[in-house]
Amino acid sequence: QLVLTQSPSASASLGASVKLTCTLSSGHSNYGIAWHQQRPEKGPRYLMRLNGDGSHSKGDGIPDRFSGSSSGAERYLTISSLQSEDEADYYCQTWGTGIQVFGGGTKLTVL
Amino acid sequence: EVHLVESGGGLVQPGRSLRLSCAASGFTFGDYAMHWVRQAPGKGLEWVSGISWNSGSTGYADSVKGRFTISRDNAKNSLYLQMNSLRAEDTASYYCAKGGSSSGIAGAFDIWGQGTMVTVSS
Repeated sequence: QLVLTQSPSASASLGASVKLTCTLSSGHSNYGIAWHQQRPEKGPRYLMRLNGDGSHSKGDGIPDRFSGSSSGAERYLTISSLQSEDEADYYCQTWGTGIQVFGGGTKLTVL
Repeated sequence: EVHLVESGGGLVQPGRSLRLSCAASGFTFGDYAMHWVRQAPGKGLEWVSGISWNSGSTGYADSVKGRFTISRDNAKNSLYLQMNSLRAEDTASYYCAKGGSSSGIAGAFDIWGQGTMVTVSS
């Protein structure tokens, strides 16, 4: 079964960096994913598509502070030089034949 | 500029029906799969349904299978979600999202609408 696992919460200080993790279920370690940001009371916003080899393509207007990487079944979103506006929920998304799956989301708090 | 605008949400009684619409602009609508995603109050994102560019493939979450029907009209740049036999647990914000250009409904969602709220309550 295709499942994405995310930690429910993360925190980091203003100006620091944070690395969020999304883990693919067993047997799906080569799958690509997408990362999405959802600020409070807003709709989701596409950040990037991240492939199993770590290559990624970002959405229009996404700052260079956002980057993605991969290792095995884990997919990462790194945000550097954290700003207050980065405080949001972050979701990963993947797809199989005839289905789409979201992770449970990580709530990022900027201290 | 690329836009997706949902409409059709509102308050509906359990067991009744509702039809959501999504109007697309700024891209070649007929080239891409399209999806509906929902978010219950205080909860995470849940994929509801997707449809391929030519309506040849559709997919549904188990929670809505047999009750919801997705469709599209490429001539009108529009996506629809017919929701029947609504339940209290269908209460959520419903988002329209643009998918990939490959066959089927695979691919990342790279454009999102602002959402429309559906409340199922007596």
